Amino acid sequence: GQQVMQIPQYQHVQEGEDFTTYCNSSTTLSNIQWYKQRPGGHPVFLIQLVKSGEVKKQKRLTFQFGEAKKNSSLHITATQTTDVGTYFCAATNQAGTALIFGKGTTLSVSS
Amino acid sequence: DSGVTQTPKHLITATGQRVTLRCSPRSGDLSVYWYQQSLDQGLQFLIQYYNGEERAKGNILERFSAQQFPDLHSELNLSSLELGDSALYFCASSVALAGGGTQYFGPGTRLLVL
Repeated sequence: GQQVMQIPQYQHVQEGEDFTTYCNSSTTLSNIQWYKQRPGGHPVFLIQLVKSGEVKKQKRLTFQFGEAKKNSSLHITATQTTDVGTYFCAATNQAGTALIFGKGTTLSVSS
Repeated sequence: DSGVTQTPKHLITATGQRVTLRCSPRSGDLSVYWYQQSLDQGLQFLIQYYNGEERAKGNILERFSAQQFPDLHSELNLSSLELGDSALYFCASSVALAGGGTQYFGPGTRLLVL
């Protein structure tokens, strides 16, 4: 079935360092969504990308959708301890009926 | 607070038992989604209901069933429980009919099967 691969699975950084997580699909995606789940919490919607090559920014977070609409990335500049959590990408399946989630990248930040 | 409520927060039961998880969507949202989150499988889509009708099915076992009631709340029924069913179960809601819209997740129900 359709899969969305996310790497890395885990990432540890020192506070102030940058962080990037990547999401890849073998098929063209209609859109990509990003969610953040804090430890012990639930996934929270961050953003949706729809257009080829789209780039969106939210403060220190930069989201990109690849030109071929098969990959996406989330980059965090100058990480803070509040960035700790698991970041998921999710894509609408080909039938348009469900979101397929990547397995997530868990970010830990030490001060 | 996403506006989605789930009860109970925690559930401990024994193998072979049956449990019911409840979800109330955000006001105005007609779609309800159920997900299972376990350490090794990540976030797995189970089933979606839209305005009372089953809309899409994911990796839902035959031992599991769900329904959405006229007031739009939804229940997920898990029967003949096995140890491997221990997981966090999330409900999410959205205004959209299709699965591509923004989804708002509830706080989850943590199920432990002993």
